[in-house]
Amino acid sequence: NAGVTQTPKFRILKIGQSMTLQCTQDMNHNYMYWYRQDPGMGLKLIYYSVGAGITDKGEVPNGYNVSRSTTEDFPLRLELAAPSQTSVYFCASSYGGEYFGAGTRLSVL
Amino acid sequence: RKEVEQDPGPFNVPEGATVAFNCTYSNSASQSFFWYRQDCRKEPKLLMSVYSSGNEDGRFTAQLNRASQYISLLIRDSKLSDSATYLCVVNIESRRYGGATNKLIFGTGTLLAVQP
Repeated sequence: NAGVTQTPKFRILKIGQSMTLQCTQDMNHNYMYWYRQDPGMGLKLIYYSVGAGITDKGEVPNGYNVSRSTTEDFPLRLELAAPSQTSVYFCASSYGGEYFGAGTRLSVL
Repeated sequence: RKEVEQDPGPFNVPEGATVAFNCTYSNSASQSFFWYRQDCRKEPKLLMSVYSSGNEDGRFTAQLNRASQYISLLIRDSKLSDSATYLCVVNIESRRYGGATNKLIFGTGTLLAVQP
């Protein structure tokens, strides 16, 4: 049982590049979430999904897009990377408490 | 006002000490409450849920006061391995898509450093 798996673990992007952060879970959870965490700050919700085909904006959605075509996968897309998107990104799935992936450390230079 | 507020610390305590963390939340519609632990450069992990009746798990005791919108975590006989950031989390339920959806709101966390 792998839990929540995120890839890649680290990435450096140039301004304006695009990338997709992958997230997959094998616990058959309906709820999945993307958060970002800046140094010394709490987690801020970017997008969430309550099930396949349903997504909704969180607190800080600008500059990001998501899709949820299957229960297992919830990728996060950055279309035009900006330095303000330098952060640690966590994906989570939920069943009465959230289970987090190990995170993706992204730097935009 | 932040939805979830915590003292950022750091709390520097000697081994064996008892330490208490406090948290307040602003949304009275908050449904459920949790404490998470986050080690440096790691993902948050669920430590315990918090109930109005109070709950205990070994050296850890959590309390909820709904009237005051206040949550606490007490750690007794602290160990070096307890050093981490403790995140207060509230779950806000809303009605959408014909059912309920849940969103967790995280506090910024309180850093605990247990000294030998």
